[in-house]
Amino acid sequence: AQSVTQLDSQVPVFEEAPVELRCNYSSSVSVYLFWYVQYPNQGLQLLLKYLSGSTLVKGINGFEAEFNKSQTSFHLRKPSVHISDTAEYFCAVSDQAAGNKLTFGGGTRVLVKP
Amino acid sequence: GAVVSQHPSRVICKSGTSVKIECRSLDFQATTMFWYRQFPKQSLMLMATSNEGSKATYEQGVEKDKFLINHASLTLSTLTVTSAHPEDSSFYICSARDGQTKYNSPLHFGNGTRLTVT
Repeated sequence: AQSVTQLDSQVPVFEEAPVELRCNYSSSVSVYLFWYVQYPNQGLQLLLKYLSGSTLVKGINGFEAEFNKSQTSFHLRKPSVHISDTAEYFCAVSDQAAGNKLTFGGGTRVLVKP
Repeated sequence: GAVVSQHPSRVICKSGTSVKIECRSLDFQATTMFWYRQFPKQSLMLMATSNEGSKATYEQGVEKDKFLINHASLTLSTLTVTSAHPEDSSFYICSARDGQTKYNSPLHFGNGTRLTVT
């Protein structure tokens, strides 16, 4: 069975500072990893994905993530955040064994302060 | 890009009534749609997977008679909350996978429906 753990439920950060959101997963087979962002009362928007190939993945809005197979991690980073980055961020995993269903982590709320 | 339209965005209903939520893929054919439920400040929990033309597959613990899912066409899936009670109040989100893309392609999400049962 696959599972996702987001180690931080809330991350306060000052504007223009860097941020890292941690994500660890467990799965018995090769996985596909995703980061989504959710703004209040909205659905989810894909930030980036790792399917195969380069372990450093660049996404939209200046975000990037690095897949680390040995540490089973897929941490999300942004070098300089904006107020508009205040949102909930979800890490998710899917694999063929699970019928390609997405399993989400508990979410990390990023609060960017001026 | 692929767009999933979910309607209504908000609905308030009285206890005992039924509510239908629609999820449409606007510019692609969605052979598979997923319905999620999200409680305040929590993650998304998969309720069921619906495949066009067949019965939905429900996750463990989800009452199939309470949450009726219909996926009658390649662009429309509906979730009906029957005999709603206050504990059914939640944020419901649908997502869809483009049938023309690979099995590991990202899902496209609707904007969600906030259901409040009074």
